[in-house]
Amino acid sequence: DGGITQSPKYLFRKEGQNVTLSCEQNLNHDAMYWYRQDPGQGLRLIYYSQIVNDFQKGDIAEGYSVSREKKESFPLTVTSAQKNPTAFYLCASSPHLPPSGGNNEQFFGPGTRLTVL
Amino acid sequence: SQKIEQNSEALNIQEGKTATLTCNYTNYSPAYLQWYRQDPGRGPVFLLLIRENEKEKRKERLKVTFDTTLKQSLFHITASQPADSATYLCASHTGGFKTIFGAGTRLFVKA
Repeated sequence: DGGITQSPKYLFRKEGQNVTLSCEQNLNHDAMYWYRQDPGQGLRLIYYSQIVNDFQKGDIAEGYSVSREKKESFPLTVTSAQKNPTAFYLCASSPHLPPSGGNNEQFFGPGTRLTVL
Repeated sequence: SQKIEQNSEALNIQEGKTATLTCNYTNYSPAYLQWYRQDPGRGPVFLLLIRENEKEKRKERLKVTFDTTLKQSLFHITASQPADSATYLCASHTGGFKTIFGAGTRLFVKA
């Protein structure tokens, strides 16, 4: 059963803590992405990765960090430097970075809702 | 800056009617536009892609149009059902490796 999984579904963070959100895919996709979704706003790109051991900052990378040590895994760390981390975080993957052939569709995980206490 | 705008007001329609959602883009010319469906608390799911040289595309009860003069895409759901109630996102590639997403339009279909 191929897909993309995220854990945990809900995460609570105290101020000053770093937390790591997990993202795993078994679709054999090269490209992976992290987005943040806030009410009334479109998805905003945090980081993306084209291939193992390579990743690039998106539009709102400050206060976040990622790694891509395995093709299947792209964890996101929300650091204490991120001043307003409460949001819904979505991980996605695609065969390649756009533009490419086909639908250029991204496959999304179920999301992690992070709340700062 | 490059933007995608969707109507932020929710759309309420009666079952069986056609729902029409709008996506407008500014400050760029996308090679294609995508539409995704997102249910509450879940990740978006891809529905359709339409390229700039295609005027219209259909998939079952879904129809998408692309008007490069108006800089707009319309997304239609015919014979709508309560199960179609969700948020629909418009997205496109903006150059480089990025895809940008609109904020989405929430659709409610009443039985």
